[in-house]
Amino acid sequence: GAVVSQHPSRVICKSGTSVKIECRSLDFQATTMFWYRQFPKQSLMLMATSNEGSKATYEQGVEKDKFLINHASLTLSTLTVTSAHPEDSSFYICSAWTGGASNYGYTFGSGTRLTVV
Amino acid sequence: EDKVVQSPLSLVVHEGDTVTLNCSYEVTNFRSLLWYKQEKKAPTFLFMLTSSGIEKKSGRLSSILDKKELFSILNITATQTGDSAVYLCAVSSDYKLSFGAGTTVTVRA
Repeated sequence: GAVVSQHPSRVICKSGTSVKIECRSLDFQATTMFWYRQFPKQSLMLMATSNEGSKATYEQGVEKDKFLINHASLTLSTLTVTSAHPEDSSFYICSAWTGGASNYGYTFGSGTRLTVV
Repeated sequence: EDKVVQSPLSLVVHEGDTVTLNCSYEVTNFRSLLWYKQEKKAPTFLFMLTSSGIEKKSGRLSSILDKKELFSILNITATQTGDSAVYLCAVSSDYKLSFGAGTTVTVRA
């Protein structure tokens, strides 16, 4: 149980366009989702925390107008990278707080590798 | 600000060797410490530790937490090439995870 499906797994887009990444909890209700980015050979950096039905909380240094997070339902959270630039190229991963739905509390999506050309 | 420091950053061993990975932390409102293995995609869960001194084991992997000294170790015995990966330590506080930089383990045949 406690599966998070992340889509797409890989995307290439042109500079200036927007890209939407989706994370769905398949067999539980995810009231809280976390969004991370990971640059090559670096660790996961938390970007924002989203709670269903309310505004996301962004970490210091993360532009909320550039990385739009929507958590409109208990099973879906989306991250939209707006006006993407090459420096936004990264690996983006979502994670859901599962609470009692699993024995360790956090389930990760499979990640999205974004390349902006 | 929460801090999670892993050491070493990387190491190379031969099959059959034992490796010990370290993770020290400074966080407010500690809830748990988690270890993950990452091989090019999303991290896969290894262990969650909440209590000091209780060793958790899964096959050749084991881990223990010291909440007084604020560190944890992850041991891998009889290493295999399939153990080559980045091992991430993360600490949960207020339901958020703060990750260390990771230790890259390379196991040579």
